[in-house]
Amino acid sequence: ETMMTQSPDTLSVSPGERATLSCRASQSVSSKLAWYQQKPGQAPGLLIYGASTRATGIPARFSGSGAGTEFTLTISSLQSEDFAVYYCQQYDTWPLTFGGGTKVEIK
Amino acid sequence: QVQLVESGGGVVQPGGSLRLSCAASGFTFSTFGMHWVRQAPGKGLEWVSFVRSDGSIKYYADSVKGRFTISRDNSKSTLYLEMNGLRGEDTAVYYCARVASSSWGIFDCWGQGTPVTVSS
Repeated sequence: ETMMTQSPDTLSVSPGERATLSCRASQSVSSKLAWYQQKPGQAPGLLIYGASTRATGIPARFSGSGAGTEFTLTISSLQSEDFAVYYCQQYDTWPLTFGGGTKVEIK
Repeated sequence: QVQLVESGGGVVQPGGSLRLSCAASGFTFSTFGMHWVRQAPGKGLEWVSFVRSDGSIKYYADSVKGRFTISRDNSKSTLYLEMNGLRGEDTAVYYCARVASSSWGIFDCWGQGTPVTVSS
């Protein structure tokens, strides 16, 4: 099973600032990495797949990068609606696995 | 628009059974693989099971293998999860999710979830 580790657990950021979230895989997942956003009381939503491709309707301030075992999600200028929990997920091998999540909170 | 609506959750005693349903609309259900993903209270996401569009291929997480069964009825555009031998650690919100067209492993649409509580 491929273990996914996200850091930090919590990120405190002021609106308008840049946020950088990290995700590490225990073995290479190539570029088969997705990011999801989950707001309180809501289901998750797809942000990024293929490590760097934005899903339909996702604003350009969200960008993903990386390959192999190291990945990054960057939110260039945080908006109020971006404060949420973010999960990375690998889909290179079964079972599909998620990271533990990074909570982005208002500083 | 795409809609996934889960139902069937509730409170069940350890060792009991439940069947979850996920009614799909707004897309051609029979052409998409589907997943179940769960989230324990205050915890992260855990993938549970996958079924191919025609039902011919099924995968399970080790934590539920042998106890849970995924199935689908394409004539009713409905996904199911039969859960037997329930344990306390199965307590979670259960989401159904549709696969993306580009890969079985990407969840591109999610339902709102149905809560399952296993407790005596």
